[in-house]
Formats: sequence, C-alpha cells, structure tokens
Amino acid sequence: GESVGLHLPTLSVQEGDNSIINCAYSNSASDYFIWYKQESGKGPQFIIDIRSNMDKRQGQRVTVLLNKTVKHLSLQIAATQPGDSAVYFCAEGLENTGNQFYFGTGTSLTVIP
Amino acid sequence: NAGVMQNPRHLVRRRGQEARLRCSPMKGHSHVYWYRQLPEEGLKFMVYLQKENIIDESGMPKERFSAEFPKEGPSILRIQQVVRGDSAAYFCASSPIRRGRPDTQYFGPGTRLTVL
Repeated sequence: GESVGLHLPTLSVQEGDNSIINCAYSNSASDYFIWYKQESGKGPQFIIDIRSNMDKRQGQRVTVLLNKTVKHLSLQIAATQPGDSAVYFCAEGLENTGNQFYFGTGTSLTVIP
Repeated sequence: NAGVMQNPRHLVRRRGQEARLRCSPMKGHSHVYWYRQLPEEGLKFMVYLQKENIIDESGMPKERFSAEFPKEGPSILRIQQVVRGDSAAYFCASSPIRRGRPDTQYFGPGTRLTVL
C-alpha cells in the first residue's frame, strides 16, 4: 500500500561514505523495479532497474539489491557525492496491469560535504 | 534525442478556471502516464494512455479530470473548475512496451499547478 501524508524519511551521510536507501514494496507479484532520483524542482530521473529473476544489479556507483522473500529493495550508492543529494523513490511494476508503476513515498538523502 | 517535454512548467489558475497540461513523449514512445505529486510525497498514478486510447484511468478522479492522447500532438491532462486542492506538480512519463512487459518510464520536468 501507499503511505499518504507522512513526512519523508531522511538520510544524512558524509561525503565519500556509502549510502544505503531501503524500500519495502507491497505486491509479491511485482516483477520489475526501478529506482528514481528526484532533485528539487525536477522530474524523477531513472537510476537503475532490476527484474524479479535477479537479486542484484550493479551500475556506475550504484547497486540495487532485491529480496523477494521479504519484499525489500535497497539502493546502495558508493562514495556518495554532494550531487547525490535528492529524494530517491523505488517503483514496482506489475506485469498484469500493463505498465503501471506504484511509487513509494521516497527517502530524502542529504550529503554533508 | 529530446526527452519527455511538458508545458507549461508553471501554471497559475484561479478557482473555477480550467487547467490544460501538455506532454510530448520521447521519440519512439507510444505510451504516456500522468502522475500527481504533492509536496514531500510520492508520485500518485493517475492515468495511462496509448495513442487514441485510455488504458487505465483508475487513479484519476471521476469528476473534473480528463486525459487524452490524440493520434497527432501531445497528450493533454485537463482539469476543469480547478480547486485549491488541485495544486500540485503533475508529471508525465513515457515508455516503450517491449514484449508486453513493463518497461522503464522516463519522466518530464513536470508542470507545477497553483490554484489561487
């Protein structure tokens, strides 16, 4: 389900440290997941995706981990930089609903220089 | 390769007026989605369209809201008789569909609607 009206979870990390952002998804049938980054005043920007037949996928400085048993997704950012400060959303896709995605409430990441 | 384009970026309307939000998908994408975002909240799905076809409008209010994606031209989200509660950022996303499975949605910069 979705959480409406709650304050965004926040995460503050020191520049250069690794960040881990977590997301619990709601539907065990979801088979496609995306992490988006949204900077202030901008639209969400695709970071990385993963399908349910995988449990890990790596990109440039980012890794997504999927644990289907507990319906949990995480985004790891290595060597966090000030430009990584943003709100991060996970989205779950349900194949039997076509291409509709459900978004979590997001986590606000602040990188301290 | 231009991304998803939305206009206007900012729109101010008085209560009772109409708001028209436009979205041009990425080249080669035939699927458009509209989302609404309130401050410090996630994106709420509103409607999913293909050319000349509404696929899923389950997230869109039944009254005052409508969406279309004509054969030619941009997709339009129309809000009639706006109220203050309609103030939000409205994002459009587009995607291809590959082999009938969900695929990545690419977002536009959004239209920020303010109702006075």
